Amino acid sequence: DAGITQSPRYKITETGRQVTLMCHQTWSHSYMFWYRQDLGHGLRLIYYSAAADITDKGEVPDGYVVSRSKTENFPLTLESATRSQTSVYFCASSWDRSEAFFGQGTRLTVV
Amino acid sequence: AQTVTQSQPEMSVQEAETVTLSCTYDTSENNYYLFWYKQPPSRQMILVIRQEAYKQQNATENRFSVNFQKAAKSFSLKISDSQLGDTAMYFCASITSGTYKYIFGTGTRLKVLA
Repeated sequence: DAGITQSPRYKITETGRQVTLMCHQTWSHSYMFWYRQDLGHGLRLIYYSAAADITDKGEVPDGYVVSRSKTENFPLTLESATRSQTSVYFCASSWDRSEAFFGQGTRLTVV
Repeated sequence: AQTVTQSQPEMSVQEAETVTLSCTYDTSENNYYLFWYKQPPSRQMILVIRQEAYKQQNATENRFSVNFQKAAKSFSLKISDSQLGDTAMYFCASITSGTYKYIFGTGTRLKVLA
């Protein structure tokens, strides 16, 4: 299916575990973004990427790692999950400075 | 630093009335773009309206229009003839040509009352 998809939709993990959230887009958009959404904080940018093998930190990058070996994929890894990383995570992609297209979100709970 | 500020956490409006959501931003760049997104309870993010900073004319999309005040760095969204389906979280966002960071505000939760 065309579009941008995130997996899993829901995830429960334990403190200290590594977890990877997947993001895949079919449009060959150059730009991809990872956000976390928390009550009172809106959407905060974690990492973004301008092209394959080009990534940069956003507003809240600590505790997260990204990679982008292929244009269509932009996985986000929590190396050692903490309770403060419980959140809803959104992936988005954009062709340029136009509309950003968002995935359905992943609700992550760290217990 | 690039920032976006929404000072109204919650608002309500009667059906068919008009409501204005506020947004201020800050950037050191001259070339940037501003957006309003809607997030209904389904959690899906939907683009409402887009404004290029170099355009003086305010953008409009049907019942949605903006008041773009570049000198004041203000970008408010006006919703006319409010409908129950407008009930959602609304986010203001900016992106600059230099960094390509897509930055969002904290959101305004709008409730349209029947």
